[in-house]
Amino acid sequence: KAGVTQTPRYLIKTRGQQVTLSCSPISGHRSVSWYQQTPGQGLQFLFEYFSETQRNKGNFPGRFSGRQFSNSRSEMNVSTLELGDSALYLCASSITSGRYTGELFFGEGSRLTVL
Amino acid sequence: AQKVTQAQTEISVVEKEDVTLDCVYETRDTTYYLFWYKQPPSGELVFLIRRNSFDEQNEISGRYSWNFQKSTSSFNFTITASQVVDSAVYFCALSEGKTSGSRLTFGEGTQLTVNP
Repeated sequence: KAGVTQTPRYLIKTRGQQVTLSCSPISGHRSVSWYQQTPGQGLQFLFEYFSETQRNKGNFPGRFSGRQFSNSRSEMNVSTLELGDSALYLCASSITSGRYTGELFFGEGSRLTVL
Repeated sequence: AQKVTQAQTEISVVEKEDVTLDCVYETRDTTYYLFWYKQPPSGELVFLIRRNSFDEQNEISGRYSWNFQKSTSSFNFTITASQVVDSAVYFCALSEGKTSGSRLTFGEGTQLTVNP
């Protein structure tokens, strides 16, 4: 069974640019959530999508956005990049969402460096 | 507001030693879930265990065991007879289950180094 796949694995951008990260969940999983990991702030929840609808959103500015497609694949976008956006962005998929927080399966992440 | 605290930033042990990673949580919900994840250098978070707030039974899985105590809001993780392959960052996490979906609040993580 294929795991969660994130692309690209590494990327370098400059301030002011925008970036789009992609996540393919495990087959059959309808929930996709995104997390940002930095040395200073640790792991922080960005947002969760379930059946193409954003279910939950963390405390991040509007520059961070996402979407989910009908095949459950998800993308997240960061516009007007800032140096502080340099981080490992992790995607997780889960079968269920809602009342029962199930096991989250994480991808290896996309490491973004903003220069 | 929910919070997870892992007071141990780094732990270094010698192979075959037992080691306990501490986790203390705060939540006002009566229904919640607790997790432990392992993050090896590759970056992927590997699921280890999920426990709901109504199940205080301790669990053992091979060399791993977990002690959940609601009275002290703790969910500690013990590795018995540690091995070099156990070296990783370990995260404790909390989800307030009824409304939070896949929204986990993570602790700061504990870097475990097992030396040969």
